[in-house]
Amino acid sequence: SQTIHQWPATLVQPVGSPLSLECTVEGTSNPNLYWYRQAAGRGLQLLFYSVGIGQISSEVPQNLSASRPQDRQFILSSKKLLLSDSGFYLCAWSWGFGQGASYEQYFGPGTRLTVT
Amino acid sequence: DQQVKQNSPSLSVQEGRISILNCDYTNSMFDYFLWYKKYPAEGPTFLISISSIKDKNEDGRFTVFLNKSAKHLSLHIVPSQPGDSAVYFCAASGSYIPTFGRGTSLIVHP
Repeated sequence: SQTIHQWPATLVQPVGSPLSLECTVEGTSNPNLYWYRQAAGRGLQLLFYSVGIGQISSEVPQNLSASRPQDRQFILSSKKLLLSDSGFYLCAWSWGFGQGASYEQYFGPGTRLTVT
Repeated sequence: DQQVKQNSPSLSVQEGRISILNCDYTNSMFDYFLWYKKYPAEGPTFLISISSIKDKNEDGRFTVFLNKSAKHLSLHIVPSQPGDSAVYFCAASGSYIPTFGRGTSLIVHP
């Protein structure tokens, strides 16, 4: 079966500090990977998605970046955090193209980021 | 501009009754629709989906209805249980990049 791991669960960082959130998926290969943010009272905002190693598409211009150094690893980073970066960050995966792909996404447990 | 709208931010229902959550979309290119359930401080979990070639899909207590002409879908939960209390997100997709609504918070009272 497939599992998705995301860490840390909570994080408190000062403004201007760097950020690194990691997500890994087990039990599948070549998944599509996604980073979302849920701000307070808002829906799920897609930040980045990736269909393969080194392939990153950005949906929202901001001071965040993403990388996919390995097939099942997805990293969300920032060089300098802003107060507005606070929120609940979610990693998700879906079956890749050509794998009988479906539209369902499977989410990790999330990271609560508070920028102070 | 929101392409997927859940106009009711919250819904309160008595245990045993029916819960109806609504979702409207504007993009006629969407051909697959999903509902997710989310508890606080957890990631959303997939609940049920429907393809645009169908108008109804049922899974146990959960049924999703799609009205393509009205660009409207709804999720029915019958009977509602206190454990169904959560935020429900509607999502629509024409590719592998879904568009989510802002969610409806369902509270089921015992």
